[in-house]
Amino acid sequence: DVKVTQSSRYLVKRTGEKVFLECVQDMDHENMFWYRQDPGLGLRLIYFSYDVKMKEKGDIPEGYSVSREKKERFSLILESASTNQTSMYLCASSTLWTDDSNQPQHFGDGTRLSIL
Amino acid sequence: LAKTTQPISMDSYEGQEVNITCSHNNIATNDYITWYQQFPSQGPRFIIQGYKTKVTNEVASLFIPADRKSSTLSLPRVSLSDTAVYYCLVVWNNDMRFGAGTRLTVKP
Repeated sequence: DVKVTQSSRYLVKRTGEKVFLECVQDMDHENMFWYRQDPGLGLRLIYFSYDVKMKEKGDIPEGYSVSREKKERFSLILESASTNQTSMYLCASSTLWTDDSNQPQHFGDGTRLSIL
Repeated sequence: LAKTTQPISMDSYEGQEVNITCSHNNIATNDYITWYQQFPSQGPRFIIQGYKTKVTNEVASLFIPADRKSSTLSLPRVSLSDTAVYYCLVVWNNDMRFGAGTRLTVKP
């Protein structure tokens, strides 16, 4: 069974801090994703990565960066946290997508981040 | 810009069939639609996926009409444990879009 583990369930940080959210998957998946989830807005893609050291911007990358130094680990970085980044953050992974298949994503249980 | 639209909420009773529709821009014949279920304090979990007409698995069916402007998740004979938020995900070429989610409440 695929397991996607996010390092913290709850996190409280202060405005201006640099924040790291960590995600690890154990199924050798090529794709990894970071989303934020807000009421009424569903899941919005921040960044995704299809290989080590590769990254692509999603819909809302401003204020965030990512790092993928190893295949199993994908980190989300808030360079200077602001109160409007208070949200639930979800990490996901999947096998590589091809023209013939679109493999489902496997999600972690999320990190609820509060910026004070 | 790709866009998906779902009803915000739905109510049902145990034993009924529930149909949740996701509306989206025209999608190509090989663009996938995927549905996820999410319980409180958990990440979304895959339910079903398809790209044409009808797909069925042990928990749900997915219907895609010929015009491909919508898709319908069908849950047969729901139980109280099906109370959750349901998300559709549509992938157009390299653009990926989740709906805002439908909160399904199953009543006894």
